[in-house]
Parts: sequence; C-alpha cells; structure tokens
Amino acid sequence: DTEVTQTPKHLVMGMTNKKSLKCEQHMGHRAMYWYKQKAKKPPELMFVYSYEKLSINESVPSRFSPECPNSSLLNLHLHALQPEDSALYLCASSQSSQSNNEQFFGPGTRLTVL
Amino acid sequence: GESVGLHLPTLSVQEGDNSIINCAYSNSASDYFIWYKQESGKGPQFIIDIRSNMDKRQGQRVTVLLNKTVKHLSLQIAATQPGDSAVYFCAEIGMDSSYKLIFGSGTRLLVRP
Repeated sequence: DTEVTQTPKHLVMGMTNKKSLKCEQHMGHRAMYWYKQKAKKPPELMFVYSYEKLSINESVPSRFSPECPNSSLLNLHLHALQPEDSALYLCASSQSSQSNNEQFFGPGTRLTVL
Repeated sequence: GESVGLHLPTLSVQEGDNSIINCAYSNSASDYFIWYKQESGKGPQFIIDIRSNMDKRQGQRVTVLLNKTVKHLSLQIAATQPGDSAVYFCAEIGMDSSYKLIFGSGTRLLVRP
C-alpha cells in the first residue's frame, strides 16, 4: 500500500463548528505532515510529526489542533475557523523527517468555512 | 530568506512537443530537489528527484537537470501528452535541521491537442 488517504474529501463548516480532518498511511512512515494550500499557490507547511511527536509547528493559530494517535494516523481538529481558512488541506508522509526523502501526499480535504 | 521560484507561471505546448519547466532556487546549500505534479482536485504527485551530487537524472519521459553554479533546476517532459496538463512544483529540502520541504510557486502546463 503506497497511498496516503484523507477524509473527508470535502467539508463545509460554520465558524462555530468543530470538525476533524483525518489522514492515514500504511507505508510504515514515521513522519507525517499537514499542509495548507490556497488556490493557485504552493502547499504551505503547518505541522510535522516525527515518531508520533509534534516536531514542527509553523506558527499555526490554535484553532488548528493536530493529533497523532498512532504511527499510521494523523488528525487535524478544527474549531472556530475563519472564512480565510478555506483551503485544500493536504496530508503527507515520509520515511523520516530527519533526512532527505520523498514525501507522499494524500488527495487533500477541500475545506470551506462559511 | 530561502525561496524556490519559477520563471514562467503558465506554459502552453503542442501535444507531442517537448516541455521544459524551469525553477530557480536561492539556497545553495540545499541537497535534495523534487518535482511534483498536481492535477486539479488532487494532491501533489512525485515525478522525479535529484540530489546535489548529480546534474542530471532521467525517468520515464522526464529528465531533471540541476545546475548548481546558477542555482537552476529544470524538468523536461518528452513527447508531451494531454495527461501531462497540470501544475508542476519544484521543491527543495531545507538544509537546516528541520529538513522542511520548500515549494516553488508552480507552473501550469497546458497541452494543446
């Protein structure tokens, strides 16, 4: 299995809602990532987990809360988002976060905040 | 600061022709470079990578060239097909201890039938 899966594919939420994005990989990768991508822009790194521990937080607002329950799963909990948070949220994984190696991306969750 | 950028935001080519997508990077210490293809509604897909100890690497219909002297990276696609239409990003692995992936701004490739 060389795939990163993400659910849901689309999500519409209000500014007072609480929702979660989910990501899963079964490649035995020990590093997992959340990226945010606005239209016509490159992905921007949000968080990096290495061996299930948060290793990088790119100054992301606290209304985004990542969680890594185990080595195969990565969640992104959303609360009190703003309309400008609407974007494609991409999950990725790699063998390690401490060396040069390829990151595999999931298809993303298209988030719309009303 | 570090940046990876592209010269052309949109490239239009005739089906069957060769495509060349260029990328300039600013961190001369970067060691690893990747080209990703992103189709509409999908996540970035790995195409080919190259390490700084090489200047050329070939895959199936794709070739990546690295010129460290001028900090330039290019992706060549041979016999471009309609399925090659997508946005292409170059990316660089940062050489600080974080090994973060730094993306360029992207080039849209349009293939004319």
